Formats: sequence, structure tokens, C-alpha cells
Amino acid sequence: GNSVTQMEGPVTLSEEAFLTINCTYTATGYPSLFWYVQYPGEGLQLLLKATKADDKGSNKGFEATYRKETTSFHLEKGSVQVSDSAVYFCALSEKSSASKIIFGSGTRLSIRP
Amino acid sequence: DTGVSQNPRHKITKRGQNVTFRCDPISEHNRLYWYRQTLGQGPEFLTYFQNEAQLEKSRLLSDRFSAERPKGSFSTLEIQRTEQGDSAMYLCASSSPRTMNTEAFFGQGTRLTVV
Repeated sequence: GNSVTQMEGPVTLSEEAFLTINCTYTATGYPSLFWYVQYPGEGLQLLLKATKADDKGSNKGFEATYRKETTSFHLEKGSVQVSDSAVYFCALSEKSSASKIIFGSGTRLSIRP
Repeated sequence: DTGVSQNPRHKITKRGQNVTFRCDPISEHNRLYWYRQTLGQGPEFLTYFQNEAQLEKSRLLSDRFSAERPKGSFSTLEIQRTEQGDSAMYLCASSSPRTMNTEAFFGQGTRLTVV
């Protein structure tokens, strides 16, 4: 079945450090890929998405590129801020399943001032 | 419309009691999803509606769980004879069919604690 595997946390970085959170997926077709973020006390929010191979999703300084050959969608940010502290979820949605979203287990990110 | 709304935000119940949660999706969205999230895990799909039709149910949805969307607008999720293992955050999401693989918009969830 379809699944998403992402880097286990927690990840702790200093402010302005470079961030990578790894994500790989297994899917039978050609899914769309997402990163969702959950800030403390808030609901899940879409951070970025990519719908086909080689697409790059970007938002708030975060980027992720849909790599079909490695079935990956790693999240990167060049310089993190304290306000980026949150839980990040990689996810996929298969075109054939009415956009049901399958999530990874999440990576907690903490940024030190 | 300010987004997906879920009520209540928190629910504490005794084991064996029934509970019901409500979700109001974004008004023009015809797809509605229920997910369950336990501590340290990602959301797990429970069930999905397109308009009033329940089109898919996860095997996680035991016969104690039932969901409805009677008029294709709001939805309810009922858990009968609650067990401690039902303690979790229950999330509702909605999406529009206008574009393929559009993202789902999530509510803030209902946190259920079974004591």
C-alpha cells in the first residue's frame, strides 16, 4: 500500500542553521506530495505541495522537490528561525483515491535562539 | 467562512459512554474527511464523504464508530461504548474537487480523553 516515511525527530537546530527533513514515499501511481506543518496549539496547515515529478514546492523560505527517481520529497530551508519550531508532516495523495491524504509520522523541529 | 470548524475542542468521557463530534467544512467543499491522530504519530485516515455519500472507510473504523453527513454539509462522528484506546485527536478536513489533488484544509480537531 501507499506509505510515507520521514526522518524521526526531534530535530534541534540553532537559529539561522540549514534545515533538511528527509521524506520518502511508496505509491502505486503518481501521487501529489505535500508538507504540512502543525504549530503548537494550532491545526494542520499546508506548507507546500508538488503535483508532478521535478516540481518544486516553496513557501515561507521552505522548499521541496518531487524526485520520482528516488521517490523523495525532502524539506529544506536555508536559514531557520525560532518561529519555525513546529511538527512537520510529509504526506501524499493518490489521484485515484479521491485525494485521500496519507501522512508520515511527523518530525518535531525545535529552533534555539 | 473562516475554515473548517470542529466542536467540541475537548471532550472527556468515561469509558463505555457514547460521544459525538461535529465538523463544519468550508462551505463550497464537497469532500469531507475524518482522521485520527495519536501522540507522536501522523494523522490516520478514518473515512471520507463526497457530498452525503460515505465512499471509503478505513479498517481502523470499527463497528463502534459511525460517521454521517446527512445533507452533504456538516458531518458527525459518533463513537459508541468508548474505550481508553479511543483517546486521540480527531481531525476533520475538507477539500474541493475543482482541481485534481488539491490540498485538504484541516480543522483544529477534537481532543478526546477516555477515563
